[in-house]
Amino acid sequence: AQTVTQSQPEMSVQEAETVTLSCTYDTSESDYYLFWYKQPPSRQMILVIRQEAYKQQNATENRFSVNFQKAAKSFSLKISDSQLGDAAMYFCAYRSASSGSRLTFGEGTQLTVNP
Amino acid sequence: GAVVSQHPSWVICKSGTSVKIECRSLDFQATTMFWYRQFPKQSLMLMATSNEGSKATYEQGVEKDKFLINHASLTLSTLTVTSAHPEDSSFYICSASKGSSYNSPLHFGNGTRLTVT
Repeated sequence: AQTVTQSQPEMSVQEAETVTLSCTYDTSESDYYLFWYKQPPSRQMILVIRQEAYKQQNATENRFSVNFQKAAKSFSLKISDSQLGDAAMYFCAYRSASSGSRLTFGEGTQLTVNP
Repeated sequence: GAVVSQHPSWVICKSGTSVKIECRSLDFQATTMFWYRQFPKQSLMLMATSNEGSKATYEQGVEKDKFLINHASLTLSTLTVTSAHPEDSSFYICSASKGSSYNSPLHFGNGTRLTVT
């Protein structure tokens, strides 16, 4: 079964600085999607960024970018120019055809942004 | 963008009663819907997958008779917690997919906070 691991329960960053959240996963498949979701105190799940496994280029969405290392099964999220509104729980997630299209989530990383 | 409405956003019920949570896709047809449960400061745990017109597929350890899932139309799935107990208190979130493929976009509802007294 696929597993997703986030080894950092909590992280903090100063406003305007850069922070990287780690994620590793385990799978025997070659075709899948990886995601980072943000869950603020409202608990709404917000898609931050997604990466198709077959694409070598790292995905980027404004201040958010990923470092996708397929061979190492690593998928880290970099947040640049951190803002107070970035404070939230961040979940790394995996999805593939063999997993029934369901999302498998990591344990989450609580990000605090200090002014 | 696609919108998924989940209702109610919060509910308090007495132990032994049943409560129904609705998940509606407002502007698209949802072939597949997923129900998750989330305890405070924890991750989302998949409870079941429902496909329109067929029985839901439950994850291991999830009681089918306690958590009844119905997906009778392409825009509505319901989760009924039967004979609720305090340990069922949790945050329940649904997500909906336009297609059954793993590359079909997923859209989340806002969640339902259930408190059983």
